[in-house]
Amino acid sequence: DAKTTQPPSMDCAEGRAANLPCNHSTISGNEYVYWYRQIHSQGPQYIIHGLKNNETNEMASLIITEDRKSSTLILPHATLRDTAVYYCIVRVGPFASNFGNEKLTFGTGTRLTIIP
Amino acid sequence: EPEVTQTPSHQVTQMGQEVILRCVPISNHLYFYWYRQILGQKVEFLVSFYNNEISEKSEIFDDQFSVERPDGSNFTLKIRSTKLEDSAMYFCASSEGQGAKAEAFFGQGTRLTVV
Repeated sequence: DAKTTQPPSMDCAEGRAANLPCNHSTISGNEYVYWYRQIHSQGPQYIIHGLKNNETNEMASLIITEDRKSSTLILPHATLRDTAVYYCIVRVGPFASNFGNEKLTFGTGTRLTIIP
Repeated sequence: EPEVTQTPSHQVTQMGQEVILRCVPISNHLYFYWYRQILGQKVEFLVSFYNNEISEKSEIFDDQFSVERPDGSNFTLKIRSTKLEDSAMYFCASSEGQGAKAEAFFGQGTRLTVV
């Protein structure tokens, strides 16, 4: 089963920052936090991942608390195209020898709706 | 940007018939996966494939399912005798397997409808 807890749904106004929380209190020392999203039954799309430092890429920022028990995905300027289900997934890191063989376990995620 | 492509986008089949879902993974990727999503439910792992053999399979992936990489580019999922409950979106994914950009990339899916 998924090792994460996310709110089932959130709304955000277009142009504002969307902050999506995730709790992962049982995360192990070698596990990373990954975020994927799924736009209306399309294939899941990778967004970002991190271990303990904050991460930023062209899509989003990831803030991980110091104790690593929770994290927040930030979409800095949400657009209507960001309406999707967002999944927070805990898994071994990308340099682990078994990374390729490890399956992604999707929970129910957070359904984010961007409101015009 | 390279992408995983799946065909067909929609397949309708009669119960008991065999179906083959096709996927072309990203060319330099080494790990291949099938997931499925029944309407309104979670995305579920079916099988992972590496070095021409199955690495892991879920309980869903029973004897009715098989996977194959018949050539250097295609990766297929076969359902031998479809059941109504096999109706779902089927997603193929591929990954480099290890490294800074080892995340899995998913195709757009094949919607399988069993009637």
